[in-house]
Amino acid sequence: DIQMTQSPSTLSASVGDRVTITCRASQSLGSWLAWYQQKPGKAPNLLIYKASSLQSGAPSRFSGSGSGTEFTLTISSLQPDDFATYYCQQYNSFPFTFGPGTKVDIK
Amino acid sequence: QVTLRESGPALVKPTQTLTLTCTFSGFSLGTSGMCVNWVRQPPGKALEWLALIDWADDKYYSTSLKTRLTISKDTSKNQVVLTMTNMDPVDTATYYCARTCSTFDYWGQGTLVTVSS
Repeated sequence: DIQMTQSPSTLSASVGDRVTITCRASQSLGSWLAWYQQKPGKAPNLLIYKASSLQSGAPSRFSGSGSGTEFTLTISSLQPDDFATYYCQQYNSFPFTFGPGTKVDIK
Repeated sequence: QVTLRESGPALVKPTQTLTLTCTFSGFSLGTSGMCVNWVRQPPGKALEWLALIDWADDKYYSTSLKTRLTISKDTSKNQVVLTMTNMDPVDTATYYCARTCSTFDYWGQGTLVTVSS
């Protein structure tokens, strides 16, 4: 199975900050990586697919980059609605796997 | 409009078998390239992918859980069923179904399943 790690596990930031979350895979994914946002009590919401493609409806302040084994999710200017937990997910091969999550909270 | 909804028991006893149903609309599992997945999330923990079934009836499972899981579909009813045998308290989680064969663009609201005697 492909193992996914994320850093940091928790991130404290202020509104307006630029935020970067890193996801690493135990083997190359090419670009087959997605990012999700999840708020408490809600299902995850797809933000980014194929490492850098913005899902329809996702705000443009979210961007993704990377390939192979290292990927980043960047929020260009953190908004109040962005305080949430973020997960990466690989779909290069079965079984699909998620990262452990990064919680973005208010500084 | 795509919607998915999970249904099943809220409480199961240890060693029992869990059966969950995902009822969806707005797409068909009879369409080439379409899939439905199950994902779970224990309280306060990360997401865990469980299983996928595709339009051709191919099935894929979590490595650690594959001996306990069975996924099936009823295309005419727009339903996907997941069974998990030998339930344990560590299986307490919110269980979600989600669409597509790679990334999950639509999700159900989730159903909390508690395993307790």
